[in-house]
Amino acid sequence: GIQVEQSPPDLILQEGANSTLRCNFSDSVNNLQWFHQNPWGQLINLFYIPSGTKQNGRLSATTVATERYSLLYISSSQTTDSGVYFCAVAPNAGNNRKLIWGLGTSLAVNP
Amino acid sequence: DTAVSQTPKYLVTQMGNDKSIKCEQNLGHDTMYWYKQDSKKFLKIMFSYNNKELIINETVPNRFSPKSPDKAHLNLHINSLELGDSAVYFCASSQGTGGYTFGSGTRLTVV
Repeated sequence: GIQVEQSPPDLILQEGANSTLRCNFSDSVNNLQWFHQNPWGQLINLFYIPSGTKQNGRLSATTVATERYSLLYISSSQTTDSGVYFCAVAPNAGNNRKLIWGLGTSLAVNP
Repeated sequence: DTAVSQTPKYLVTQMGNDKSIKCEQNLGHDTMYWYKQDSKKFLKIMFSYNNKELIINETVPNRFSPKSPDKAHLNLHINSLELGDSAVYFCASSQGTGGYTFGSGTRLTVV
């Protein structure tokens, strides 16, 4: 089946720094989503982005479907950005509601 | 005005018991999901219903049985609970293949 790899696995930032999180996937996809799980366990959908670029405040995401990767940019990081960031995809071949999840990038933003 | 609400939030029970987790969404979405998150934060889909029809049924023990009385509700019943069932169970919903909205999770501890 499709493989989803996220990097880096862990990241520590000073408040105000920028960062880029990467998600590589091994097959073509028709569904890709980024999620943030905060330290209290709540899962928040950040972007639905099977292709193209989207921006929401300090966060933006770009998916290059032909090259099988997606990037999540966090600018001017804040302590509230801490948590785990997950990428999840659904392959073209198969049920496009069945998301396959990466292992996440654990982000800690220090004040 | 919670979009996806799960009850209970915490569940501590003894091995061998039967328990249910309820989920309701008020977003008008047509698809609902149950996910299991293990102690290493890995998320795995268990079931999905689209307009009350089961569309995803992953390889889970048949002690787990979902039930969707209508498209706004998806409940999870677990028979003969085992220690290995301890995890956080998340309910989610989506409209078609769009972005997911997650509930706040149910932390199940089997003792």
